[in-house]
Amino acid sequence: DAMVIQNPRYQVTQFGKPVTLSCSQTLNHNVMYWYQQKSSQAPKLLFHYYDKDFNNEADTPDNFQSRRPNTSFCFLDIRSPGLGDAAMYLCATSRFGGEEQYFGPGTRLTVT
Amino acid sequence: SQQGEEDPQALSIQEGENATMNCSYKTSINNLQWYRQNSGRGLVHLILIRSNEREKHSGRLRVTLDTSKKSSSLLITASRAADTASYFCATESDFGNEKLTFGTGTRLTIIP
Repeated sequence: DAMVIQNPRYQVTQFGKPVTLSCSQTLNHNVMYWYQQKSSQAPKLLFHYYDKDFNNEADTPDNFQSRRPNTSFCFLDIRSPGLGDAAMYLCATSRFGGEEQYFGPGTRLTVT
Repeated sequence: SQQGEEDPQALSIQEGENATMNCSYKTSINNLQWYRQNSGRGLVHLILIRSNEREKHSGRLRVTLDTSKKSSSLLITASRAADTASYFCATESDFGNEKLTFGTGTRLTIIP
């Protein structure tokens, strides 16, 4: 089945230790999104790619970076995680921007 | 700023009853979407309604859109225990900026 896959599902990292979260899709969608979601809150968009075009949200901290080496994969790098970065990170795709989004199961990040 | 605000924040009803959730937004939109999120999981797309549509149905779901009031409602009929989840509205602005802005969500609990 076509889907959005996130690895790992759970990630524990130490304060300040870089971490990379990955997302892959078999839908061949043009757009890939990264969201941060904290407990009982709405997903907050960090950035998105339309094909290779990178779009950063104005309030996304510099600590967060992203790479999309090809259509199928997208990575979220957190260069120096702080305690406030503990959250669920959701990857999503859509065929075109603004249309229905397909979400992965998320990666729960814990910072110790 | 948050595009969508939902009410109520939490709703508990008996199984078999209907559940209604409301979403208000601030700027002109191309479409409005509803998503469901089970605890600790990714979001699942439920329904998309375009700005020129007033009502849409999908199974037990009915969505209305009133662009003059900048509001939408989601009705779930004949609720089931499996409908217990958080429900989010999300809007694509008419800027066509390829992204969705999510509302604050309604936590729905169905009591068996």
